[in-house]
This record gives sequence, C-alpha cells and structure tokens, in this order.
Amino acid sequence: NAGVMQNPRHLVRRRGQEARLRCSPMKGHSHVYWYRQLPEEGLKFMVYLQKENIIDESGMPKERFSAEFPKEGPSILRIQQVVRGDSAAYFCASSHSEDTQYFGPGTRLTVL
Amino acid sequence: RKEVEQDPGPFNVPEGATVAFNCTYSNSASQSFFWYRQDCRKEPKLLMSVYSSGNEDGRFTAQLNRASQYISLLIRDSKLSDSATYLCVVNTNAGKSTFGDGTTLTVKP
Repeated sequence: NAGVMQNPRHLVRRRGQEARLRCSPMKGHSHVYWYRQLPEEGLKFMVYLQKENIIDESGMPKERFSAEFPKEGPSILRIQQVVRGDSAAYFCASSHSEDTQYFGPGTRLTVL
Repeated sequence: RKEVEQDPGPFNVPEGATVAFNCTYSNSASQSFFWYRQDCRKEPKLLMSVYSSGNEDGRFTAQLNRASQYISLLIRDSKLSDSATYLCVVNTNAGKSTFGDGTTLTVKP
C-alpha cells in the first residue's frame, strides 16, 4: 500500500516562472492538506481539500497561490510568478477522515 | 499568541535520560491531539495520538489535560535515535490541523 506520493521531490524555478506541485494521497484517502515549511521555521498550514472542494484555505497567501483536488488525478498546488521568498519545503498530507494525517516526502522548491 | 505553543529547546540529554516536552493550545474546541517527529527537515511522521486518559507506547507516554489545554510527551531511557524535532499537533472538528513549531531533542552518548 503506497504512502502519500509527491512529485517532483526537488523543483528549481527562476523568478516569475510557475511552479506546480503534485500530491497523490494514500489509497482510500479523500482528504488532502498542504503545508509549507520555510527554512529554520515550523510547518504552516496552507489549505485543506476534499475531492473537488476546498474546505479551508485560510493559510493560503491571497495572491499567486492556488490548489485543487480534482475528481480524477492528484492534488495540485500551483504557485504563479514565483519569488525567492517562495523557496521552501512543501508537504502534502492525506487522511481517511478528518483525523490522523500521513505525510508525503515533500517537494523542495528553490527559486533562483 | 500562537494557537499551539511549544518550548523550542533545544533539549540536550545523555543517553538513558528521561525527558518531557510540553505543549499548550488556545482553542478550547480542539478535538484531537497528536505528537509527530520530524528528522532533518524530512516529512513529519506520526509518533502517537494523545487520548484523554493518557496513553503509552513503549518508552513514550503522552498525556492530555483538557482543563488546562495542555499536552505532554515523556520519553524514558532516551536513545541516540530519538534525536529529532517533536511536533505537537492539535485538530479542530473542522479538520484543520495546527502544528506547533516543534521542540528539538538531541540525545548524546
């Protein structure tokens, strides 16, 4: 039973480009969460999604960031016009219900 | 005030020591509680859930005090492999998880 999958594991973008981060939840899980961890800081909640619905996006920056979890396929976190301050580790987690979350290995985004 | 607060440490202890971490939370509507560990900026991994009656898993004991809005983790007989950052996690019934910033533990030989 595969765990939470994230890809790419490492992503390098130049300022102004777009970054797309993908997350496939564990089999049977319909709840997906995205977190960001800046260097030397703790995990910060970004968004909580269920299939085709955004449940809570209170942690998402107001501009340039969006997330989706379509009926088919992985959840996508999209960052438009990246800036150096977006460089961070982005973790996805999934759960069966609104309870224990299991994390993927993360995507390390570096903005040059 | 942060929703979930932890002492950042670092805690530096010798092998075999007993160490305790504390965590306080501000949302009285919080429903479920967990401890995760994170190694070297890798993904957090679930260590244990925290139940109202307290629970134990080997050398690890977790306790919850709802009246004081306080969670603790006790590690007995520390091993070198216990060195990590320990994250306190609090969930509301709306599914949102709030992570503490973590407490760093280093166990030395």
